[in-house]
Amino acid sequence: KAGVTQTPRYLIKTRGQQVTLSCSPISGHRSVSWYQQTPGQGLQFLFEYFSETQRNKGNFPGRFSGRQFSNSRSEMNVSTLELGDSALYLCASSRGGGQGSYGYTFGSGTRLTVV
Amino acid sequence: GEDVEQSLFLSVREGDSSVINCTYTDSSSTYLYWYKQEPGAGLQLLTYIFSNMDMKQDQRLTVLLNKKDKHLSLRIADTQTGDSAIYFCAERGYSGAGSYQLTFGKGTKLSVIP
Repeated sequence: KAGVTQTPRYLIKTRGQQVTLSCSPISGHRSVSWYQQTPGQGLQFLFEYFSETQRNKGNFPGRFSGRQFSNSRSEMNVSTLELGDSALYLCASSRGGGQGSYGYTFGSGTRLTVV
Repeated sequence: GEDVEQSLFLSVREGDSSVINCTYTDSSSTYLYWYKQEPGAGLQLLTYIFSNMDMKQDQRLTVLLNKKDKHLSLRIADTQTGDSAIYFCAERGYSGAGSYQLTFGKGTKLSVIP
């Protein structure tokens, strides 16, 4: 069974630009959650998508947005990039409801560097 | 809000046991997790424990949960150099509308001395 696929693995962007990151969950999983990991703040929850709907959002500015497609793949977008957005962005795949919904499988992450 | 605390560093000799501790605040957490992160990699789920359990053993890993004190520990028996990594404790909290989110500790960096 394929794991969670995040693309790209690495990105370098300039301040003010925007970026889109992609996450393909495990087949059959309907929930995708996004987390930001930085040395200072650790792992912080960004948002969760389930069946194409955002179910939950963390404490991040509106520059951070996302969406989920009918095949459960998810994208997150960061507009007007700031230096502080440099981080490892991780997505987690889970069933999202029902039996076995407590399992969260993470992808390898996208390392974003803003210069 | 929820908070998860871990010590930042642990150093052990190869072959010894490692014990990583964690405290959490959300008494309604139903699941607690241990993840491992190696340099440049994502998070690998090591094990989890349901809140109505006191202990869970999985090969070299033993998880102990003291729900009264909101204390979780991970014991790694016969620690190997390949166990050197950062270990994260996480609790799953309910956010409403059928959604849950994981709250992570800052991670414990385990260094194994050959």
